[in-house]
Amino acid sequence: DSGVTQTPKHLITATGQRVTLRCSPRSGDLSVYWYQQSLDQGLQFLIHYYNGEERAKGNILERFSAQQFPDLHSELNLSSLELGDSALYFCASSVSPMDTQYFGPGTRLTVL
Amino acid sequence: DAKTTQPNSMESNEEEPVHLPCNHSTISGTDYIHWYRQLPSQGPEYVIHGLTSNVNNRMASLAIAEDRKSSTLILHRATLRDAAVYYCILGLPNAGGTSYGKLTFGQGTILTVHP
Repeated sequence: DSGVTQTPKHLITATGQRVTLRCSPRSGDLSVYWYQQSLDQGLQFLIHYYNGEERAKGNILERFSAQQFPDLHSELNLSSLELGDSALYFCASSVSPMDTQYFGPGTRLTVL
Repeated sequence: DAKTTQPNSMESNEEEPVHLPCNHSTISGTDYIHWYRQLPSQGPEYVIHGLTSNVNNRMASLAIAEDRKSSTLILHRATLRDAAVYYCILGLPNAGGTSYGKLTFGQGTILTVHP
């Protein structure tokens, strides 16, 4: 158990819908990262927040957004969902951007 | 981002040592070498990291070539639980730009451990 929690574990929804994925980092970790893992693209970095501020962006679609709240938990919002958004979404956390990242168990999103 | 090259797959028998290679000929002087692994149906898990010297921890050892263009992750006695995809990643700490804090995963090496 990494100490990073993600909810929900599974999410099934339809195209065009909007969903919110939630991540609680390990106690004391200020950095939160989101990654997407699909069969064809592998593990891809989406976005990084540090202490509430966005620090780095990867190839995150404009339909996707994230935020980190004052209690340091983070949410990833995915809107206008398409079939290709079906994937595993992982959250990771670290004490600072230079430290080891600890990954949560992931949320499996299925878009029908 | 500096690129790494790993074999697609490797096999081992239980309780034997496993040497997982990684080539990174374009590594920069400040790039750390990180290894993560992903067990089936789980998120990636940190294994070990190093800069220049060989490193040991309770999970594995990391041997880094003198020119830093390659490294080897060593599992001293493989168990069935070590069957996973192993990723060799360069970077961290990075300062500034979009690579700040980002881990770039390649395809990794699928390790199969036979009983």
